[in-house]
Amino acid sequence: AQSVTQLGSHVSVSEGALVLLRCNYSSSVPPYLFWYVQYPNQGLQLLLKYTSAATLVKGINGFEAEFKKSETSFHLTKPSAHMSDAAEYFCAVSRGSGTYKYIFGTGTRLKVLA
Amino acid sequence: DTEVTQTPKHLVMGMTNKKSLKCEQHMGHRAMYWYKQKAKKPPELMFVYSYEKLSINESVPSRFSPECPNSSLLNLHLHALQPEDSALYLCASSQETGGAGELFFGEGSRLTVL
Repeated sequence: AQSVTQLGSHVSVSEGALVLLRCNYSSSVPPYLFWYVQYPNQGLQLLLKYTSAATLVKGINGFEAEFKKSETSFHLTKPSAHMSDAAEYFCAVSRGSGTYKYIFGTGTRLKVLA
Repeated sequence: DTEVTQTPKHLVMGMTNKKSLKCEQHMGHRAMYWYKQKAKKPPELMFVYSYEKLSINESVPSRFSPECPNSSLLNLHLHALQPEDSALYLCASSQETGGAGELFFGEGSRLTVL
């Protein structure tokens, strides 16, 4: 069975500081991994995805994530936080083509301090 | 056009009412999803349609009735709901390869059941 664990339900960083949001997964098959962002009262928007190509994935808004198979991790980073990054972030995993079930982590609320 | 459009954005209904949520996409996606999201929680899968046929029903109560009239439209018919059904209902679509690609989400319909 697949699962996703996001460590830290709340993360606070100062504006301009490094953002690090943690995601660990378990999967019996090579996973497809995704990071989504959700602003208040909105739907989810894809930040980036890993689909077995490059292990370092660059996404929108300056975010990137590195797939580390040995650590079963897919942590999300951004070198310099901006106030507009304050939102809820979800990591998700799927088993790939032909499946329609995406397993979402419990989410991490990012707060950016001025 | 990379949008998923949901209407209405807000809906208040009594427990005896019948209402519908609507979702539309014009990206040529052949898989469409309904998710339910409670506050501070990740989205929970309800239904998946693939090529206009119901592919997954996550044991959702029969007071929720999905319908996929064509490849671009997805409805969720609501009848005799309970207050605990109040939530954000998200529609999403993906390419027919399912989990190999990302989900495109609409902004959601905020449902309040009185």
